[in-house]
Amino acid sequence: DVKVTQSSRYLVKRTGEKVFLECVQDMDHENMFWYRQDPGLGLRLIYFSYDVKMKEKGDIPEGYSVSREKKERFSLILESASTNQTSMYLCASSLFRGNSPLHFGNGTRLTVT
Amino acid sequence: ILNVEQSPQSLHVQEGDSTNFTCSFPSSNFYALHWYRWETAKSPEALFVMTLNGDEKKKGRISATLNTKEGYSYLYIKGSQPEDSATYLCARGGVYNQGGKLIFGQGTELSVKP
Repeated sequence: DVKVTQSSRYLVKRTGEKVFLECVQDMDHENMFWYRQDPGLGLRLIYFSYDVKMKEKGDIPEGYSVSREKKERFSLILESASTNQTSMYLCASSLFRGNSPLHFGNGTRLTVT
Repeated sequence: ILNVEQSPQSLHVQEGDSTNFTCSFPSSNFYALHWYRWETAKSPEALFVMTLNGDEKKKGRISATLNTKEGYSYLYIKGSQPEDSATYLCARGGVYNQGGKLIFGQGTELSVKP
């Protein structure tokens, strides 16, 4: 079974802090994704990566950056956390093919105060 | 952004009822349609990935159909059980070279009462 592990289940940060959300997958998947989930808005793609050191903006990249130095690890960075970034963040991975299912982590619920 | 719409937003049924929900999506440049189940306190889990017009997939009491020409997919649950309570998400994949990038709908929240 594919395992996608997110470093924290719950996180509370202050406005202006730099925040790192870490994600590791153990199945050698090419693709990795960061989504956020907000009530009534569905899953929205922040960034994705289809190879080491490669990254592409999703639909809502503003205020975020990412890092993929190793194939198994994809980090989401909030350079200066703001209250409107309070959300559930989900990491996912998949094989490169567009018909491969996503495998999700358990999510990180981030609260910015 | 290509909109993926799901209906209804929420559904409350009794144990044993059969139910279905709809996912509508733009049919142009279609590549794949995914269905996921997301139970509370767990991670979303893939149910089906469909690519061909007329595709039908089944997993136990859950099945799905796909119409790529008119841009919709139905998810059916036969004889709903309380453990089926979850949010069901559909997602549309675009052309192959987008490397699996998906656009998700808002989800249908299903509650099954014993």
